[in-house]
Amino acid sequence: KAGVTQTPRYLIKTRGQQVTLSCSPISGHRSVSWYQQTPGQGLQFLFEYFSETQRNKGNFPGRFSGRQFSNSRSEMNVSTLELGDSALYLCASGLVGGPSSYNEQFFGPGTRLTVL
Amino acid sequence: DQQVKQNSPSLSVQEGRISILNCDYTNSMFDYFLWYKKYPAEGPTFLISISSIKDKNEDGRFTVFLNKSAKHLSLHIVPSQPGDSAVYFCAASGLSGNTGKLIFGQGTTLQVKP
Repeated sequence: KAGVTQTPRYLIKTRGQQVTLSCSPISGHRSVSWYQQTPGQGLQFLFEYFSETQRNKGNFPGRFSGRQFSNSRSEMNVSTLELGDSALYLCASGLVGGPSSYNEQFFGPGTRLTVL
Repeated sequence: DQQVKQNSPSLSVQEGRISILNCDYTNSMFDYFLWYKKYPAEGPTFLISISSIKDKNEDGRFTVFLNKSAKHLSLHIVPSQPGDSAVYFCAASGLSGNTGKLIFGQGTTLQVKP
């Protein structure tokens, strides 16, 4: 099975712009989650989508949004970029809903966003 | 309020010896725990998980122990290999893992010396 894929891998934007990141989960996985990794804050949960519905949300401002399509692919959008949004954005997918032994989350390689 | 803590930022061990990485949590609602290995500029790689109905889970060289009363888990790597050198994150979730929301610790950098 192919793993979680994320595009683009690298992105450079300027303050005030907006950006859209894409994630394709492992085939059969219906849960897609997004995380932000920064040196100071570590890995922080942004939100989770399951069957096209956001069912969990982390403590991030409304400039961060996402959506999930019927094929489980997900996009994340950040509007009005700030310098502090520079980070590695990671997407994870999971089977979820089965026995706990199958509830692992698998991560993609991430998108490195630099805001200038 | 950090709900998952990895108090050791770094650990150095000799090749062939045991590596023990520790993790503490505060939220008693957590009932599913995972360990990930991460290299710089890459996504975390899943290693092993454990449900709160167990106190031990093994997979090859990796064993995770869970002490619910102490709210403590540990990852044992035996024997340690130089390729194990990476940052290790523990993560926790509730709902028996039926959620994509994971709370991560700050990570422990493991160095395995040849």
